[in-house]
Parts: sequence; structure tokens; C-alpha cells
Amino acid sequence: GENVEQHPSTLSVQEGDSAVIKCTYSDSASNYFPWYKQELGKRPQLIIDIRSNVGEKKDQRIAVTLNKTAKHFSLHITETQPEDSAVYFCAASSSTGNQFYFGTGTSLTVIP
Amino acid sequence: GAVVSQHPSRVICKSGTSVKIECRSLDFQATTMFWYRQFPKQSLMLMATSNEGSKATYEQGVEKDKFLINHASLTLSTLTVTSAHPEDSSFYICSAIKQRGGFGGYTFGSGTRLTVV
Repeated sequence: GENVEQHPSTLSVQEGDSAVIKCTYSDSASNYFPWYKQELGKRPQLIIDIRSNVGEKKDQRIAVTLNKTAKHFSLHITETQPEDSAVYFCAASSSTGNQFYFGTGTSLTVIP
Repeated sequence: GAVVSQHPSRVICKSGTSVKIECRSLDFQATTMFWYRQFPKQSLMLMATSNEGSKATYEQGVEKDKFLINHASLTLSTLTVTSAHPEDSSFYICSAIKQRGGFGGYTFGSGTRLTVV
């Protein structure tokens, strides 16, 4: 099955700085890569996603890049704000199974 | 939008009893639902894939006799934790796909915090 690794596990940045979270996956059949933000005790919320036919996608302060050859993808948050503090999960999925396999999570703290 | 409702949000049960968690898609039909388990400060671990009208597919290492999944209709899947023990205490969360291949419709329930005492 798919194995998704995520780094770092914790990340602290000053408000206004950028944050980068990286994930790798093992199954070359994976073709969809969402990122979720989860606040304590709440459901994960989709913040951005990318399909394997695209190398980069941006939505305001959030961007995701995908290197299909190397099997890694990254989340970039610019101009971080305290409300960005949460746990972020990457995931990988293939169209055949629809299951999502999640990374181990990154606890992001934005220091005011 | 796609809304998934999960109940109960919190449950405390005695060791040895069973607990049922419901996951409902409120405004769409979900042929496939997923059940995840999340320990504190850890990732979501896929437990099983639930398909309407058929047996659930369990991930390796998940005891199917302990975690009973029933997907009786296109809008309801249930997870029953049988003979619960303290080590089963966790955050259980379901998700559903609005349409096959429609990844944007992958929606999570609000989760159930299970505490076994």
C-alpha cells in the first residue's frame, strides 16, 4: 500500500515568515494530493490540493508543488499569521481506490 | 456543499461494552465511506473502506471482528467498537466521497472522541 512520510513534525515560525512542509509518497499510482488543516479536536479541513498532471498550484498565501518523478510534494504558506497555527496533514490517493493515506502531520506554530 | 454528520461527538463507555458511531451524508449519496482513527498528536490512520451494500475492506492490522462496519444505505455507515477496552480510546472520524473520482467532494465528519474506562 501507499506510504506517506511528512516532515517536519513540528515547525515554529515568526508571524510574517514562510512555512514549508514536505511529504513523500511511495505509490507511483497516486495521482491526487490534498493538504488538510486540523485544529485541536476538529475535523480536517481541505486547504489545497493538486493532481498529478500539475506541477504547482497556488491559492492566495498557500501553494503546493509536486515533483512526480521524485514522488514528493510540498506545502508553502507565505506571510504566516497566528491563525495558521494548526496541524497540517498531507495525503495521497489514487483514482482506483479512493482511499486517502495521510502523512504523520506537522504541528505549525506561528509566533506573533 | 457536501456535509457529513457524525454522532456521537463524545462517548464514554465501560470496558467490555460496545459503542456504535454513526456517519451520515446529509445532502449527497455516498457509495463509499472511510473510517479513520486518530491518537493524540498523531496522524489519521485509515481503518477501513465502507461500500454501500457490501462488506467493508479493512486495512492491514485492523481487527474486523472488533470494529464492525455496516454501510446499509447510501447515506449511512456505522462503526461499532465491540468489547471496548481502554486501548480503544481514540478519536474516530469518518469521511465520504460525494462522487467517485470527485476528490473535491471528500468530506470529513466531525469525529467521535471515545473514552473507554
